[in-house]
Amino acid sequence: GENVEQHPSTLSVQEGDSAVIKCTYSDSASNYFPWYKQELGKRPQLIIDIRSNVGEKKDQRIAVTLNKTAKHFSLHITETQPEDSAVYFCAASRQVPGSNYKLTFGKGTLLTVNP
Amino acid sequence: DAGVTQSPTHLIKTRGQQVTLRCSPISGHKSVSWYQQVLGQGPQFIFQYYEKEERGRGNFPDRFSARQFPNYSSELNVNALLLGDSALYLCASSWQPRETQYFGPGTRLLVL
Repeated sequence: GENVEQHPSTLSVQEGDSAVIKCTYSDSASNYFPWYKQELGKRPQLIIDIRSNVGEKKDQRIAVTLNKTAKHFSLHITETQPEDSAVYFCAASRQVPGSNYKLTFGKGTLLTVNP
Repeated sequence: DAGVTQSPTHLIKTRGQQVTLRCSPISGHKSVSWYQQVLGQGPQFIFQYYEKEERGRGNFPDRFSARQFPNYSSELNVNALLLGDSALYLCASSWQPRETQYFGPGTRLLVL
């Protein structure tokens, strides 16, 4: 089955700096890659996602890049703010007819943005 | 516009007991998935239901079962609880299985 590795497990940056979180996946058939942000005691919230037919997607300060050949994808947060502090999870899914479309998650990255 | 709702929010059970967790999807969403999140880990897939049929099952024992009702709400049942079942149980809904999944707040289960 699919295996998703996520690095680093913790990341501390100064406010205004950029943060990058990287994930690798094992199933070459995976074609959907969402990123979720989970604040302490809260539900995971989708912040951005990308499908395998594009290599990059951007939404204001957040961007995701995908390298299908290398089977890795990354989350980039620019101009970080203290409210960006949370645990970030990457996930991968095989979105083809007949599959169960399950999300396989990485173990998460605790991002701390210091004021 | 209400998001995914789950009940109860917290639950304490003892080993060997049975538990039922409930989920109401976003209005119009027909697919519900269940995930288990152990402290410090990412969510792990348990089940997916679409149009009241099971569409997928993760690597969980038969003590775990689920169903989806005609109104698309869902229940997750866990029998013969073990200490290791202590976790946050998350429900996620989507319009269709291949669409974006939106998570509920979860039910935190503690097994003593």
